[in-house]
Amino acid sequence: DTGVSQDPRHKITKRGQNVTFRCDPISEHNRLYWYRQTLGQGPEFLTYFQNEAQLEKSRLLSDRFSAERPKGSFSTLEIQRTEQGDSAMYLCASSLGGGFSQETQYFGPGTRLLVL
Amino acid sequence: AQSVTQPDIHITVSEGASLELRCNYSYGATPYLFWYVQSPGQGLQLLLKYFSGDTLVQGIKGFEAEFKRSQSSFNLRKPSVHWSDAAEYFCAVGAYSSASKIIFGSGTRLSIRP
Repeated sequence: DTGVSQDPRHKITKRGQNVTFRCDPISEHNRLYWYRQTLGQGPEFLTYFQNEAQLEKSRLLSDRFSAERPKGSFSTLEIQRTEQGDSAMYLCASSLGGGFSQETQYFGPGTRLLVL
Repeated sequence: AQSVTQPDIHITVSEGASLELRCNYSYGATPYLFWYVQSPGQGLQLLLKYFSGDTLVQGIKGFEAEFKRSQSSFNLRKPSVHWSDAAEYFCAVGAYSSASKIIFGSGTRLSIRP
């Protein structure tokens, strides 16, 4: 399967701990996105990368959150000093970029985070 | 600001019946419009998309959607639903100049009555 993959699929942590999630996009895709989805809501945009450059960040992305895509391939999303309000599904998506017909985001299965 | 409204939180239809899920968007320019489906434990799957051209868009799994600029709507339809269509459906809008940010609606949960 050459779709978007995310690891881990589930994470349970205690409040105050740091967590890191990984996303591997579709190999030829140069754009990578992170979203957060809470129960009963649609995904909310967090940030996106064009290759290794982080081009946009949502105000939802507090200073406890950091995302990287060091070589323009996989990406990591780290949450420091987790809070119970961080409990959510974290979704990664990728797209080709570069033109209207290519701007479709393909989503991974998500990482479900539970902060106790 | 862009926004998407899905007025129906939960819809139940009988298997074999027709389906229409409503979506209204707010955006000043010509939008990208999408419908995604999310099954339990699965990622979001793109059903169909509208960028320009024909306002009636065909998608996967027998779904179609119609873009109506005058009503700012992009409703999803299917003539005959199957039990496997039970899922959460999300309408979404992206900016014409850049789809870097997609705004999702809050979703409509579809249940199928046997």
